[in-house]
Amino acid sequence: DAKTTQPTSMDCAEGRAANLPCNHSTISGNEYVYWYRQIHSQGPQYIIHGLKNNETNEMASLIITEDRKSSTLILPHATLRDTAVYYCIVRVELDTDKLIFGTGTRLQVFP
Amino acid sequence: DGGITQSPKYLFRKEGQNVTLSCEQNLNHDAMYWYRQDPGQGLRLIYYSQIVNDFQKGDIAEGYSVSREKKESFPLTVTSAQKNPTAFYLCASSITTDYGEQYFGPGTRLTVT
Repeated sequence: DAKTTQPTSMDCAEGRAANLPCNHSTISGNEYVYWYRQIHSQGPQYIIHGLKNNETNEMASLIITEDRKSSTLILPHATLRDTAVYYCIVRVELDTDKLIFGTGTRLQVFP
Repeated sequence: DGGITQSPKYLFRKEGQNVTLSCEQNLNHDAMYWYRQDPGQGLRLIYYSQIVNDFQKGDIAEGYSVSREKKESFPLTVTSAQKNPTAFYLCASSITTDYGEQYFGPGTRLTVT
């Protein structure tokens, strides 16, 4: 079973920031938070991951709460091409355990 | 261009036939994975391989088989024993299984009638 809880769907206007929440209240101290997205009928794409500090890359920012029980993925200027299913995953690094993909959040970016 | 290729994009088979899905990567990754995705669902792990000539069952290995004779290749055979083979199949790779950053192929949509 997935260790995360995400809203089923969200909408965002093009050009605005998309903030996708994820709850992981049972996260362990050595588990990282990963975000992937899947555009319709394509393979998932890695976005970002973090342990406890906020992270930023060219695609997105990841904000993790101090207690690490939740996080938010931020797409600063959403475009139509960001319409996808976004998966939040927790995983122990340096562990052979698999990635567990739940059902994710379906983000619809509208013009 | 480095990446993962899966072929074909769409595959149709008759019930009772075995079918092999191709997955090739030129990323020099040690680890490779096969996932299955059903409509509206997340991904489920079928098999994974940490290194050449080694592979382990995932959550739903029954009715599937794999081989890893070369680092670049990890073919998946869907056998006639798989009760519900129609699905979207995704192959992925990572530097090793230690790392959670996996690179996915475009997928193969298999339809069995």
